[in-house]
Amino acid sequence: LAKTTQPISMDSYEGQEVNITCSHNNIATNDYITWYQQFPSQGPRFIIQGYKTKVTNEVASLFIPADRKSSTLSLPRVSLSDTAVYYCLVGVSGGYNKLIFGAGTRLAVHP
Amino acid sequence: GAGVSQSPSNKVTEKGKDVELRCDPISGHTALYWYRQSLGQGLEFLIYFQGNSAPDKSGLPSDRFSAERTGGSVSTLTIQRTQQEDSAVYLCASSPRGNTEAFFGQGTRLTVV
Repeated sequence: LAKTTQPISMDSYEGQEVNITCSHNNIATNDYITWYQQFPSQGPRFIIQGYKTKVTNEVASLFIPADRKSSTLSLPRVSLSDTAVYYCLVGVSGGYNKLIFGAGTRLAVHP
Repeated sequence: GAGVSQSPSNKVTEKGKDVELRCDPISGHTALYWYRQSLGQGLEFLIYFQGNSAPDKSGLPSDRFSAERTGGSVSTLTIQRTQQEDSAVYLCASSPRGNTEAFFGQGTRLTVV
């Protein structure tokens, strides 16, 4: 299983764009990159997944360079409600897949 | 049900007692995961069930922990002879076969006194 490395914490202000980068140097050919968000006292929830280039949904964008050794989760115009822990995972979609969460990035959005 | 359901939501038990935590996954989801999360920490993987395959128990911290999944649906995590360090939130998740989009329950907060 590919190991991931993320910053432990980040701070931002309302209205700013936040980019959280995850390193996964030993990502395998069949691995997808998935990001989860966890609010206090709740279980994590899936926010976005990608394999290469760029993926965008109503919540976030995910940028993956050609070598796939890193990925960047981009949150546009954050609000206080985006304060959460963000986890990056790599794994094989559609196959036997044990989801291993790292420590995540604790994002604090300030007024 | 609409989502993953865990019960009880809170459990206070005395040190040395056994506890059972229940997880009802989303219908049709073949993969089921258990995690433990201590206050302010990340998710610690415990066990993974995938269909009829033998479960991956590599995350269970000791032989006091065990889990089973009956009929490919409901799962029970059992902790025997609980210790204070077992106090944590226990989270269950399910997903369609091998899909990395897992859906989590609200967790069971276990307090061992």
